[in-house]
Amino acid sequence: DADVTQTPRNRITKTGKRIMLECSQTKGHDRMYWYRQDPGLGLRLIYYSFDVKDINKGEISDGYSVSRQAQAKFSLSLESAIPNQTALYFCATSDKGQAGANVLTFGAGSRLTVL
Amino acid sequence: QKEVEQNSGPLSVPEGAIASLNCTYSDRGSQSFFWYRQYSGKSPELIMFIYSNGDKEDGRFTAQLNKASQYVSLLIRDSQPSDSATYLCAVKGGNNFNKFYFGSGTKLNVKP
Repeated sequence: DADVTQTPRNRITKTGKRIMLECSQTKGHDRMYWYRQDPGLGLRLIYYSFDVKDINKGEISDGYSVSRQAQAKFSLSLESAIPNQTALYFCATSDKGQAGANVLTFGAGSRLTVL
Repeated sequence: QKEVEQNSGPLSVPEGAIASLNCTYSDRGSQSFFWYRQYSGKSPELIMFIYSNGDKEDGRFTAQLNKASQYVSLLIRDSQPSDSATYLCAVKGGNNFNKFYFGSGTKLNVKP
């Protein structure tokens, strides 16, 4: 089984619908992240969480919300999806370790299309 | 100004050649530097990280860091067609200590 699991892997929805992307991890990491990837724009941070009671906005949090239900689970919600939220979404985790060891491990991605 | 800049490419090299990928960053206080490889439609996977000035080698890959010039590079020796992918540079530390900033990636094509 994958260390970082994202569901769904693919989703097509309509403008205005509520969408939840879920992420779970078995790595025992405290830190979890949500990124979106658009062609030519690289990975942009939406939200991140360093423990269950810690939630922080990233570069592009508008239109998104998150929930850290447990150390292993971090969900991303789009309350009212719009077409420019069509993108590839990645969940990632990292450990607290020393600076050089604090690497990101990514899930397989969730491709979201908003019509 | 973007935090991390990369040439989008594509960079084309013949099989067996050395591929050189470059990245510059704006936050002088950045402390950790990462190279990820991403195949089309797949998730990024870590190739290597570096946090001290100089070179770090891992197999066919060498990361080079120059903090004075705010420059980090990745050399791939004996390039193989399987190395064809997008390479993402990521930077962590500095003013936003807990955040990773990614460049937009350089697409590498290795021609047989």
